[in-house]
Amino acid sequence: DQQVKQNSPSLSVQEGRISILNCDYTNSMFDYFLWYKKYPAEGPTFLISISSIKDKNEDGRFTVFLNKSAKHLSLHIVPSQPGDSAVYFCAASATTSGTYKYIFGTGTRLKVLA
Amino acid sequence: DSGVTQTPKHLITATGQRVTLRCSPRSGDLSVYWYQQSLDQGLQFLIQYYNGEERAKGNILERFSAQQFPDLHSELNLSSLELGDSALYFCASSPMTGSTEAFFGQGTRLTVV
Repeated sequence: DQQVKQNSPSLSVQEGRISILNCDYTNSMFDYFLWYKKYPAEGPTFLISISSIKDKNEDGRFTVFLNKSAKHLSLHIVPSQPGDSAVYFCAASATTSGTYKYIFGTGTRLKVLA
Repeated sequence: DSGVTQTPKHLITATGQRVTLRCSPRSGDLSVYWYQQSLDQGLQFLIQYYNGEERAKGNILERFSAQQFPDLHSELNLSSLELGDSALYFCASSPMTGSTEAFFGQGTRLTVV
């Protein structure tokens, strides 16, 4: 059972435009969400996170939006740059449930075209 | 550099063998997580330790085991290896459990031949 889903395996965006990566989750116990970026042959790198008490968190060019009623989060990158080309994973955790683990989606490969 | 160190970076071994992967967490981090990534798939959670104790278990095979030592480094032991165990194995660490971001190491690429 895939509790965290990224339904778009890939996304191509022109440089300077907005990239929107989507993530859906099924477990209503999840209350902390994260986005990671991964380049080939490297470990995932933390990008941005959001707690379920917020609906938006912004850090420079990266903004994460959380819609709890829809169990949906999205990562906006604006403006997109060629260096943003990577695989993006969303992850979720149920911090109050005692399980403590981060559950990852399958990733979306973003390609920013120069 | 995330501060999480994994050794070795690459490992090639034969079916039926046993290997040990090592992880040194960031200084001060008490929580260690192990993940498996096969063939560009998602990161599958294996197991988590917090300050030496097992805290959460994922889809970890019985042939696999892990432990966290008093100095907080962790080892993932994989035995009776099969071809399908070939994957990237990542270790991550965080100060607490599940409420702050986890920082990942560079991974160990295991190839079973």
